Amino acid sequence: QQPVQSPQAVILREGEDAVINCSSSKALYSVHWYRQKHGEAPVFLMILLKGGEQKGHEKISASFNEKKQQSSLYLTASQLSYSGTYFCGTEIAAGNKLTFGGGTRVLVKP
Amino acid sequence: NAGVTQTPKFRILKIGQSMTLQCTQDMNHNYMYWYRQDPGMGLKLIYYSVGAGITDKGEVPNGYNVSRSTTEDFPLRLELAAPSQTSVYFCASRSWTVATNEKLFFGSGTQLSVL
Repeated sequence: QQPVQSPQAVILREGEDAVINCSSSKALYSVHWYRQKHGEAPVFLMILLKGGEQKGHEKISASFNEKKQQSSLYLTASQLSYSGTYFCGTEIAAGNKLTFGGGTRVLVKP
Repeated sequence: NAGVTQTPKFRILKIGQSMTLQCTQDMNHNYMYWYRQDPGMGLKLIYYSVGAGITDKGEVPNGYNVSRSTTEDFPLRLELAAPSQTSVYFCASRSWTVATNEKLFFGSGTQLSVL
């Protein structure tokens, strides 16, 4: 039931783009995205509900493909502040438990 | 507005000891969660609650117990501490209804070492 994230890690130069994928073996009701800096609690980025919508937050956006049971997070024109570990959390039904993937470590270099 | 408050921030336990990790939220959220995060790993769900008096197991509940007697509090109990329970523990809460699906609010975490 735990979602699978890929890649496990990515290294970017400032200004480059990256895509992080989150896949589930079960149909999804919602997908949450969070970013965690070392030694801190995760910080919310966005929530997507089933329906294939795409959301954005500055230059970070995400899509949700209900048929493929997959969500993707897009980091566009990356900034140094984008470094951290990105986690997707998924619910398979409304009001169900929220479980997280193993995370994707992102390092943005100058 | 304090949000989600966890205590203690750090704790060292000896094998076999017991302790309770405290979690309190002041946002009147109905859903509360306990996660553990091992070094360099993801968040694993231990237990969650959808309201006072209702709790359910997550992915890794063995060795832990919870209770939810009030909306605000969701303590996590370790009965016989083992080295495998060395981890960072995060409590989180959110408001959930059929009409809304809101983000998780996380506490700052409790770093627990069992030696």
